Amino acid sequence: EDKVVQSPLSLVVHEGDTVTLNCSYEVTNFRSLLWYKQEKKAPTFLFMLTSSGIEKKSGRLSSILDKKELSSILNITATQTGDSAIYLCAVDANSGYALNFGKGTSLLVTP
Amino acid sequence: GAVVSQHPSRVICKSGTSVKIECRSLDFQATTMFWYRQFPKQSLMLMATSNEGSKATYEQGVEKDKFLINHASLTLSTLTVTSAHPEDSSFYICSARVAAGVEQYFGPGTRLTVT
Repeated sequence: EDKVVQSPLSLVVHEGDTVTLNCSYEVTNFRSLLWYKQEKKAPTFLFMLTSSGIEKKSGRLSSILDKKELSSILNITATQTGDSAIYLCAVDANSGYALNFGKGTSLLVTP
Repeated sequence: GAVVSQHPSRVICKSGTSVKIECRSLDFQATTMFWYRQFPKQSLMLMATSNEGSKATYEQGVEKDKFLINHASLTLSTLTVTSAHPEDSSFYICSARVAAGVEQYFGPGTRLTVT
């Protein structure tokens, strides 16, 4: 059975801190790993990773995939209160089918 | 970027009635749409995969006669919750996959409350 595990499940940090969110997976036919940010409504797309070792970056957020370790990390530097959200990791294990989602990491950034 | 809309965004209905939720891909064609359900503080739970022109594929434990899915065109899928009960109250989210790609784009979700 395909599995996606995120850690930690929740995290509280102060503004300005750097955080690292983890996602590990056990799936057959891995195609890609995706990160989403979910605030009050539906998830918004952050990154899609298909190749190991290539960092994707968008502003203060960055992510990298390690296919050997079957994992990915999402880094957020200089956190702001607006970064407070649930961060979801999902794996595409068979194109054309739905994504396998982890339970998410709930991040709270305090002023 | 790709935009997916959902309608309504919020609905309150009485127990025993049916509710239809629409999911539209606004600027792309989606051969596949997905319906998820999300309980408070939990991740997304896939309910069904909807392919244009064919029957939806339901996940184990999801009653297909209760959650009717129709994918009549490449830009529209509908989820009808029939004979709704309070335990059906939840946040329902659809997503659409760009036909040639992998990314899924999510609709804004529909908050269903059954009284």
